[in-house]
Amino acid sequence: DAMVIQNPRYQVTQFGKPVTLSCSQTLNHNVMYWYQQKSSQAPKLLFHYYDKDFNNEADTPDNFQSRRPNTSFCFLDIRSPGLGDAAMYLCATSRFVTGGTLGYTFGSGTRLTVV
Amino acid sequence: GNSVTQMEGPVTLSEEAFLTINCTYTATGYPSLFWYVQYPGEGLQLLLKATKADDKGSNKGFEATYRKETTSFHLEKGSVQVSDSAVYFCAHSMGDSGGGADGLTFGKGTHLIIQP
Repeated sequence: DAMVIQNPRYQVTQFGKPVTLSCSQTLNHNVMYWYQQKSSQAPKLLFHYYDKDFNNEADTPDNFQSRRPNTSFCFLDIRSPGLGDAAMYLCATSRFVTGGTLGYTFGSGTRLTVV
Repeated sequence: GNSVTQMEGPVTLSEEAFLTINCTYTATGYPSLFWYVQYPGEGLQLLLKATKADDKGSNKGFEATYRKETTSFHLEKGSVQVSDSAVYFCAHSMGDSGGGADGLTFGKGTHLIIQP
């Protein structure tokens, strides 16, 4: 089945130690997104890639970076994780065509713990 | 700006009760509207959606109608089950207004608890 896969499911990292979260898709969607969801809160969009074009939300901290080496993969890099970065990180994809966006699909998420 | 407002929880109901979770939105243009469900420790699953005014989305006994005149997309189910216990998020995108790749704007979520 076509899907969005996030690895790992659970990630523990040390305070200040760089960490990378991974997302892959088999849907051939041209847009990939990263959302941050803290406990009991709504998901918040960090940034997205439309093909190779990177679009950062205005209030996303510089500590968060992203890479999309090809259509299928997208990575979230946290350069120096703080305790406040502990959250569920959700990857999503969609297909943007003239007139609209189709097929939003979310991965199962990676729960990040910072110790 | 764009926003989604939904009723705060938790909402506690008995099994077989009627469910309504209210959702209203503010947006420019003509957004698509969504309801997502999230079970503990899981990601988001699309429950239903509607892409234009008066459309009704439905799935698993849940329904919601896109009401442009009241900018609402209330979620309803006639008879809830214990397995419906989860957090429900209302969201909108801007698919037809040139911002379709801009992602989804979510409400804060409503925690639904169904008691046997």
